[in-house]
Parts: sequence; C-alpha cells; structure tokens
Amino acid sequence: DQQVKQNSPSLSVQEGRISILNCDYTNSMFDYFLWYKKYPAEGPTFLISISSIKDKNEDGRFTVFLNKSAKHLSLHIVPSQPGDSAVYFCAASAHNDMRFGAGTRLTVKP
Amino acid sequence: DAGVIQSPRHEVTEMGQEVTLRCKPISGHDYLFWYRQTMMRGLELLIYFNNNVPIDDSGMPEDRFSAKMPNASFSTLKIQPSEPRDSAVYFCASSPRRDYGYTFGSGTRLTVV
Repeated sequence: DQQVKQNSPSLSVQEGRISILNCDYTNSMFDYFLWYKKYPAEGPTFLISISSIKDKNEDGRFTVFLNKSAKHLSLHIVPSQPGDSAVYFCAASAHNDMRFGAGTRLTVKP
Repeated sequence: DAGVIQSPRHEVTEMGQEVTLRCKPISGHDYLFWYRQTMMRGLELLIYFNNNVPIDDSGMPEDRFSAKMPNASFSTLKIQPSEPRDSAVYFCASSPRRDYGYTFGSGTRLTVV
C-alpha cells in the first residue's frame, strides 16, 4: 500500500537548468509534506516542507509546489548544480503517521 | 549533539548468521524508527518506538526480525537467521514527534552472502 508515490526512479538534467521532481499521494488526510535529500553513504536529511494550507514554499533555489486537488506535489530546483545530485525522497504526514516515497535519483551533469 | 549514531556502518555476513544493528538516537527525541532502503521499495518503515515502547511493528518482514529499545539512548535491530534477501541499507531515525522532525543516522549497509 504505497500512499506516497514517486513514479520516476531517476532524472538527469544539465547544470544550470531546472530540475522538477514529482510526487503523488493518495491519502487526503495528509496535511504536511516534506522533501528529504540523500547523498551516498549518508542518511536522508530534511530539505524543505510545505503545509497543506499553502500551495508554494520557496527556500533559495528550492521551491515546493502543492496541488491538493490533484494530490500532487513537486520540487523545483533552479538553477540545478552538480552538488544537487542525490536521491530525493518525498514524504507526507498526518497526525501520527508519516510515509515516504521510493525516491528519485537526480543527476546534474556539468 | 552528534546526531543519530548507527553501528556498524557496513556488515557482511554469511547466510544463517545472526546480525545485530545498533542505534543511538538524539537525546530528548521520544520517537525512534527503523527503516530499510531497497531499490525496489525505497524507504520502508520496519518498526517504531515511542518512549522506548514498540508501537507499530507491522513493517517487520517476518519473525526473523526483532527490535528492542531497552532505554532511551539505545536500540537494536536483530536478524536471526539472516538471508541474502535481507541485504539492504538499514536506517535508524529519531524525532520529537511522530509526524515531523526526523533525523536519520548514516545507515548500516548489510550484505548477506
């Protein structure tokens, strides 16, 4: 029962361009959404989040968009840098529960 | 705070052997989680504790897996006997809340041959 889905296992973009990572969820009770970033040989680290009362949250080069009606969120990275190459996990939480997607491996080519 | 500390970083063992993974959570975090990362399923929640008490172990794959948290600063995940399909990276995370603020350890890469 995958309540949080990241349908693209990998994404490759050129340095300087936009990276868009997508995430879909099925449980309408989720009210908080997060993105985690994971480098090889390290644990996932928190990147950015958004509450369900908002549709956009921006932090520097990172912006998360939430479309509640479509149960879809996305992470935009502009401009992409080689150091952004990592696995990105989408997560969704409700009271007493948090679920992770399977992750998308982003490769930013110089 | 040194963060969530896991040991060992790497473990290679033979099929049938017992494996014990260890975790020290961040002091003051009431929740501790064990996750397994695989290519096919991403991050799977195996079990989580609240105030040292196991709350939900529905993600534990089978009876070969067990987890304990004898005190607020230590938890173990044990696999006995281990099988090659258990090969994965196992993460421990701790949090002050169930739904927010997770801090992950660096993981233990387990290889069962």
